[in-house]
Parts: sequence; structure tokens; C-alpha cells
Amino acid sequence: DTAVSQTPKYLVTQMGNDKSIKCEQNLGHDTMYWYKQDSKKFLKIMFSYNNKELIINETVPNRFSPKSPDKAHLNLHINSLELGDSAVYFCASSPGTSGSREQFFGPGTRLTVL
Amino acid sequence: AQRVTQPEKLLSVFKGAPVELKCNYSYSGSPELFWYVQYSRQRLQLLLRHISRESIKGFTADLNKGETSFHLKKPFAQEEDSAMYYCALSPGGYNKLIFGAGTRLAVHP
Repeated sequence: DTAVSQTPKYLVTQMGNDKSIKCEQNLGHDTMYWYKQDSKKFLKIMFSYNNKELIINETVPNRFSPKSPDKAHLNLHINSLELGDSAVYFCASSPGTSGSREQFFGPGTRLTVL
Repeated sequence: AQRVTQPEKLLSVFKGAPVELKCNYSYSGSPELFWYVQYSRQRLQLLLRHISRESIKGFTADLNKGETSFHLKKPFAQEEDSAMYYCALSPGGYNKLIFGAGTRLAVHP
């Protein structure tokens, strides 16, 4: 299956912990993204990487650190988790910074911070 | 400021009724506009984009630059259209999507 995949699907953890979410795409795309969907279903971009280089950082707290080991992977590490970090996190990818701007989304990771 | 506004949080219609989900945007350049749909327990997927001017699942959307709108329309709603619909804008030069708050469409039998 060609797609964007994320692990884990659900993540429940205590405040103050550090956790990671992994994302992989096998679509051959150059650009990957992380979005956050809050409890009101509002979707907001957090980061974008193009060929392993950070190109967008939308004023996200530095407790969030994306890492792209290669252009098919973009992981999200979150330090010192807070209650307000509870959300669904979506990974996405697109062909590149030019051409089609359609983005392909992963299934989401529901993070619950207790 | 770059912004997408979807004024309705919920749109509730009966099967067979026409549907219009409103979307207005604020952007000074030439954006690319999209409609994405999220069915229950499924991932977000592209429904339409303005540059292709196509009809998908009976839905159409026309970009009106004068009114800065990109409303999504369907003449006869079906129960399987029930989902969360997001209007999104991709500003020129940046490959990111700015989403509206979303409209939940509920189609009743």
C-alpha cells in the first residue's frame, strides 16, 4: 500500500513525560508535515520539512522537536508533555515545494496527556 | 493575514436536499484552494482543488476571486456525504495548508 503511516495510533501518557510519534511515507514525496488537530477539530500546521531540511516552523514550543532522518520519515518528539498537548497529530506529505500542492495525510495519532 | 473562514460549524440537511458549505479566504496573492473531507474514523483526504475544476462525488466548488470565496456545493445530498469538511488554502511559494475550522455535514434520512 502506498500511503502515509503513523505510529502509534493512540498514545496515553502522564504530564511531564517525553514521547515520540513516527511517520513514514512511501509515496516518494520530498516534503513532509506535522499538523495538530485540537479538541474543536481545528487543524494547524506545526512543521514542514523538504528533503530533510526544516522549512516551516509555526511558532511551536521548543518542547516539540521534529526529526527527519531521511526524506521518507518525519518523526515528532515531545518533551515534558503538558495537558494542552492533548490532540490528534497528523503527518502529511506532498510531492515538493513546487508543482502540485496536494497533501496526503496519515491516519493521525491521538495523544492524551493525563 | 492569511486566513480561511468556514462560518458554519454544523450543517444539517435531509437526504436529497441541496448542500452549500461556505468558505471565504483572506490572502493577497494567488492561492491554491482545496476542500478536504474526513469521514468518521478515516484520514483526511482531498475532495477537490480549484485548479482542476472537476466534480467529485457530485460536489463542485468554484473559486470567486471577487468575493474571495470557494463554496462547496452538491445539488442532492446523500447520507454517505456525512463527514467533516475542511476548506484549505495553500499560499503561493509555501507548500503549507491553512485550514478553516471545518464544517460538520450531517445528512439525515
